[in-house]
Formats: sequence, C-alpha cells, structure tokens
Amino acid sequence: AQSVTQLDSHVSVSEGTPVLLRCNYSSSYSPSLFWYVQHPNKGLQLLLKYTSAATLVKGINGFEAEFKKSETSFHLTKPSAHMSDAAEYFCVVTPLGSARQLTFGSGTQLTVLP
Amino acid sequence: NAGVTQTPKFQVLKTGQSMTLQCAQDMNHEYMSWYRQDPGMGLRLIHYSVGAGITDQGEVPNGYNVSRSTTEDFPLRLLSAAPSQTSVYFCASSPPGTGSYAEQYFGPGTRLTVT
Repeated sequence: AQSVTQLDSHVSVSEGTPVLLRCNYSSSYSPSLFWYVQHPNKGLQLLLKYTSAATLVKGINGFEAEFKKSETSFHLTKPSAHMSDAAEYFCVVTPLGSARQLTFGSGTQLTVLP
Repeated sequence: NAGVTQTPKFQVLKTGQSMTLQCAQDMNHEYMSWYRQDPGMGLRLIHYSVGAGITDQGEVPNGYNVSRSTTEDFPLRLLSAAPSQTSVYFCASSPPGTGSYAEQYFGPGTRLTVT
C-alpha cells in the first residue's frame, strides 16, 4: 500500500522569496516519487522525478526536491519564486518498477504575491 | 505531435444519460489511463491500459467502462451518469520504459457536470 500527504493545502510567498512545498509519503516498497504542476485550466506537467538515483533531484524552472528516506519526505523547493510559479502542485508516489499506477497527494495551491 | 488530446472540453449531462469521453495520443505510447480530479482529493485512477486489448481497474472504477482497441485511443464511457460523477477527467499516457520511471503525459481535461 502507498499514500502521499501534502502537508499544506495552500502556500503564499512573495515574489523573489524561497518556496517550500512539503510532501511525506508512505510505501511498503521502494518508491518512485514525482512532483507535477497544474496551471489553471491546464493538464498536469511533470516537474521532476526521483527514481532511486541521486537523492537531490533537479527539475524544470529552477525547482528541486530532496528524497529523505529516514524522514519519508520529498519536499519541493525553489530559491526564488516567480509570478509564473503560481499553480497547484501535486506530489505523487508509485512503486519502483510498477505499471505506472500513480497515487496523488491532495495538492498544494501556491500563490505568489507581487 | 499533438500529444494527448481529449474531447469534449466541457459537457453537461442529465442524470441517467450516457456518454463517451474521448482520448487519443499520437506518441505510440503503450500505457494510457483515466483519472478524475475532485477538489481537495488530487487525482484518482479510474481505469488504465498497458496496451491494445488490455485494460484494468484503478482506484475508482464503478460507473465507468473502457476499451482499448487501438494503441492511439482510450475512450471512457459513462453508462448512466450520476451527480457524483461531476468532476474533471484527465487522460494520460506514457511511453514504454522501465516501469514507473516513465513520465506521464496528461491531456487538457474534460469538465463534466451531471445535473
């Protein structure tokens, strides 16, 4: 069994300040972990993925995430927020080597203030 | 490449009506899936297919049917719509590759309202 908990449903930051979106996971086996982003009225786009290689993963648009097995966490960060980062972000887990059945977190809505 | 396309973009149904949500991809992806998105619940897997002729149930399959006669198309059928099926539906596909390493490509979604 697997599950994902996104610890904040809404996060607000000012433009130019750091972003932290928190994700904890639970999995009976080694997981693959992903972050997806959804802009308003759009489909989901992959930001980054962890697949048991390096624990610090870099993604698109300056985002990165660190896999911490001891803390069962996969938090998403960005050093400096941009207005275009305003969107909903989903943390996703799937068993390593699975048939790609993804379990989604409930999402974190990121607001970027001018 | 058009990627993953979904039609229609919006649909309003009355309770008991049937309809088919269309999904197509032109990337020769073996794996396709349908999700529904409800507020505060993320995306939940309805059905998926690992190739033409092969489908299986996901987390919330009740009330939905699928078939996969070609690699390109994966329609989702609602046989008798219910208000509980009001949601945004996303189709996704991913290329052949090592299990969960593969990125999923999402369509733009269909917003369905059942009255």
